[in-house]
Amino acid sequence: DIQMTQSPSSLSASVGDRVTITCQASRGVRNYLNWYQHKPGKAPKLLIYDVSNLETGVPSRFSGSGFGTDFTFTISSLQPEDIATYYCQQYDNVPPTFGGGTKVEIK
Amino acid sequence: EVQLVESGGGLVQPGGSLRLSCAASGFTFSSSSMNWVRQAPGKGLEWVSYISSSTSTIHYADSVKGRFTISRDNAKNSLYLQMNSLRDDDTAVYYCARDDYYGPTPGWFDPWGQGTLVTVSS
Repeated sequence: DIQMTQSPSSLSASVGDRVTITCQASRGVRNYLNWYQHKPGKAPKLLIYDVSNLETGVPSRFSGSGFGTDFTFTISSLQPEDIATYYCQQYDNVPPTFGGGTKVEIK
Repeated sequence: EVQLVESGGGLVQPGGSLRLSCAASGFTFSSSSMNWVRQAPGKGLEWVSYISSSTSTIHYADSVKGRFTISRDNAKNSLYLQMNSLRDDDTAVYYCARDDYYGPTPGWFDPWGQGTLVTVSS
């Protein structure tokens, strides 16, 4: 199985800060990489698919980049409603696998 | 509105069985592949199983292979997960999620249901 390693596992930032999360695959997954937002007690939500494609309705402050084994997820200006845990997920191989998650908090 | 609603969770003893259901509405269920994904307490997301729209393709995580069975009833817009020989480490919130990739294998999951809690304990 492809292992997905996210870092950091948690972070604390101020409203308006730029936040960056990295995701590394144990072997290349081409551009088959997605990002999700998960708030406690809520359904996970797809934010980005295929590295950089924003799901309909997702604010433009969210973005993604990368290819192969190294990927980056960015929130350009952190908002209070962005408090959540974020997960990367590869689907180049079955089983699809998730990163361990990054918990984002407000400082 | 696209909606997925899971049901059937609860407390079950180790070795027991449980059947989860997921009722879909607001989209053409019969044309959509579907997945089950779970989250154990304090842990991250783990994909469990995938079924194509026609049921011709099914995949399972190694951790549940031989114990869980995914199925669907397109006439009832419903997805199911039959869970047998349950173990303590199957304790989790189970989510159903539409596969929005429309490829031959699991892709990206959108939307997700709110989840149903399965607790395996004596």
